[in-house]
Parts: sequence; C-alpha cells; structure tokens
Amino acid sequence: TQLLEQSPQFLSIQEGENLTVYCNSSSVFSSLQWYRQEPGEGPVLLVTVVTGGEVKKLKRLTFQFGDARKDSSLHITAAQPGDTGLYLCAGAGFGNEKLTFGTGTRLTIIP
Amino acid sequence: DAGVTQSPTHLIKTRGQQVTLRCSPKSGHDTVSWYQQALGQGPQFIFQYYEEEERQRGNFPDRFSGHQFPNYSSELNVNALLLGDSALYLCASSLDNLGAFFGQGTRLTVV
Repeated sequence: TQLLEQSPQFLSIQEGENLTVYCNSSSVFSSLQWYRQEPGEGPVLLVTVVTGGEVKKLKRLTFQFGDARKDSSLHITAAQPGDTGLYLCAGAGFGNEKLTFGTGTRLTIIP
Repeated sequence: DAGVTQSPTHLIKTRGQQVTLRCSPKSGHDTVSWYQQALGQGPQFIFQYYEEEERQRGNFPDRFSGHQFPNYSSELNVNALLLGDSALYLCASSLDNLGAFFGQGTRLTVV
C-alpha cells in the first residue's frame, strides 16, 4: 500500500515569513503533484513534478521532487494571507492515473 | 470551457438508502476518478473509469459502484448508506499522469 505522509499537519505563521511543507513516502511515484484546497471546494492543481531532483518555481512557491522520486517539498517565500488553505501532495502510479494523497497540511497565514 | 461539474452539491440521506452522484469531466478528458474525502483528511481513491470500464479500484466495499457513459460522464452509486459514508465526494478528470482536475464535490450527509 502506497502511503504519503505530510508534515507539518498544521502550520500557522505571520505574513512575510517563509515556510516549507514536506511530503514523504517509501514508494516511488511516476509524478508528484501538489494541490491547494479551499473550504467547500475541490483541490486545485498547483504543479506536477516528474523527474527526480526536479525543481519548479511558481512565483513565491518552489517545489522539489526528491532524487529517488519518493518525496517532495513545497517552500513558500514571504507568505501572504492569500496562501491560506489546505495543501495536499499526491503521488501518481506508473501506467495509471490513480492518485495517492497525503494527509494534508493546513496552512494559516496571519496578517 | 467548463471544468469538471458535479451534481448535486449537497445531499442528505437516511441510513440504508441509496444515492447516485453525477460528474461531467473537463472537455477532452476521457478518464474519470472518484474520491472520498472525510473531514480533515486527504481524498481517498474509490475507483477510476476509462472507456466505460472500471480500470482501478481502491479499498472500498462493493456497496460503492460506478458507471461511465459514452460521453465520458460518470456516476457514483452507493447502496445501503452508513453514517460513516458521510463525506465530500470528489470527481476528477484527467488525460494523463500530469495532473487531475477536480470538481467542487458533493457533500453527502447520512443521518
């Protein structure tokens, strides 16, 4: 069974600070995807990383895929209140599109 | 271009009843997956449909069944509802392993 563990589970920081969310597994995935979910809405895709060691930047967000394709991190620089939400990592299997989701990180940015 | 649409948005059912949830995928997407998201947790994979066939199934009982139509839309049926089936049910459509698009979900409450 593939499992993805995210840490921390909850994070509350001041506006302007930096933060990192981790997503770890003992399984290898064909790709690792990050989503953000607002209350009452479905998850929205932020980024997909495919190659081991890959780094992708999306404005103030930096995503990294581990060399062994088992783990990933999301780093936010100068967090803003609009970054508040539930961040989910999800691993995609090989040859199929089933997603295994992490436990989620609930991020709150305090103005 | 309409994204993934789900209906209904909210539903209240009595224990033992049956429910059908509906999903229209994003235009051009041929694969539909269903997920169950309990409060405070990440989505859990129920099953996936491709070319009107169930391609993969998660760890859910046979009370959960589905269907995909020739136009790629899909239904999720749950029989003999239990209180524990109360959750947000999410439909996602995709073309490949590079990202899924989610609907806003159906909030099912079993009383």
